[in-house]
Amino acid sequence: DIVMTQSPLSLPVTPGEPASISCRSSQSLLHSNGYNYLNWYLQKPGKSPHLLIYLGSNRASGVPDRFSGSGSGTDFTLKISRVEAEDVGVYYCMQALETPAFGPGTKVDIK
Amino acid sequence: QVQLQESGPGLVKPWGTLSLTCAVSGDSISSSNWWSWVRQPPGKGLEWIGEIYHSGSSNYNASLKSRVTISVDKSKNQFSLRLTSVTAADTAVYYCARKGYNYGDFDYWGQGTLVTVSS
Repeated sequence: DIVMTQSPLSLPVTPGEPASISCRSSQSLLHSNGYNYLNWYLQKPGKSPHLLIYLGSNRASGVPDRFSGSGSGTDFTLKISRVEAEDVGVYYCMQALETPAFGPGTKVDIK
Repeated sequence: QVQLQESGPGLVKPWGTLSLTCAVSGDSISSSNWWSWVRQPPGKGLEWIGEIYHSGSSNYNASLKSRVTISVDKSKNQFSLRLTSVTAADTAVYYCARKGYNYGDFDYWGQGTLVTVSS
């Protein structure tokens, strides 16, 4: 089974400043078709998770362009170029190459 | 717009069976998507439970496989979760979600329903 890890697990941020979350998988998520099967989700307080990034670097519909995903193989990064107050919540990476598995989550809050 | 709505008992007795249904609107359960269940124990992270395709093909989390069954009802455009022999460890918010066939992304989620296992 593919195991997902994230760092940091807690991230205090300052509005207007950039932020970055790392995600690692125990096996490569690069499919033979050239796509990395890695998704990012944000779960705002008291809400269901929602999709931010799919296939490692593609923003989902309606996601602001301050969010970007990068990486390949086993190492991935989610970046927020300028954090806004509405970005607080828990961010999860998830591998979709095999049966889905989520990372432990990174809690982002305002300093 | 695609919407998913979970329903079912909020309280289940230990060693009983948890049964939930997810009603889908705005999309056909026979479309090219997988229909999934994900749960979240209070204060903890997300755990994928399993998924089903309209053909009846299903996949389950290995840690739950012996206790889980997911089924689909095309006539009602809904799918269901059945989890047997529940304990307090199964107390969680249960979400249903649509997973894209091509990219494996959970693009639509239900609002979630809290199921508590207690006598």
